[in-house]
Amino acid sequence: GAVVSQHPSRVICKSGTSVKIECRSLDFQATTMFWYRQFPKQSLMLMATSNEGSKATYEQGVEKDKFLINHASLTLSTLTVTSAHPEDSSFYICSARVPGYTDTQYFGPGTRLTVL
Amino acid sequence: DAKTTQPTSMDCAEGRAANLPCNHSTISGNEYVYWYRQIHSQGPQYIIHGLKNNETNEMASLIITEDRKSSTLILPHATLRDTAVYYCIVRLNYGGSQGNLIFGKGTKLSVKP
Repeated sequence: GAVVSQHPSRVICKSGTSVKIECRSLDFQATTMFWYRQFPKQSLMLMATSNEGSKATYEQGVEKDKFLINHASLTLSTLTVTSAHPEDSSFYICSARVPGYTDTQYFGPGTRLTVL
Repeated sequence: DAKTTQPTSMDCAEGRAANLPCNHSTISGNEYVYWYRQIHSQGPQYIIHGLKNNETNEMASLIITEDRKSSTLILPHATLRDTAVYYCIVRLNYGGSQGNLIFGKGTKLSVKP
């Protein structure tokens, strides 16, 4: 299957700082990428849809000014958590949709964010 | 909201077939059934998907009932590495928000020696 990478795999930061997470499609071009968040013992929750060259679409309840998404190229989307607080600590996972008839999504390995 | 219902957990003996059921009684005619799994602290892994015919790949088989209201994912020879949460998701196969993957709680499969 298609390969999606994320960087970093884990990050610890102080409250009030900003953290950037990168999501890359390694062997295909992705016009659409997705960002999910997963709290312990819970399922994945879709945060936003990132479309190359246009503004991201955020799900209800997700603050677009806090979670900045940039999809500047067909292989890279970034999520920046601004002014992070302990309640933002979570597992952030990106996925990319492989263009084509089946439009299957492939997921990155995830980024564990801990805000102290 | 997820449009599927799955058992919360299941056990399977190593080497035996694991049969994971999923109910999707409100599935529409152009929605596909997708299966993903998530091993602890990793991103979800795509397994298989289908519309109405049974499908098989190197990982698993997907059996969809004729009325499409339920399906079963079959791991033919489960190993300890198959221990994971398995998600059954129905979605439209094209762009736009209707094609987004919405995750439910899934089934926690534990493969035991």
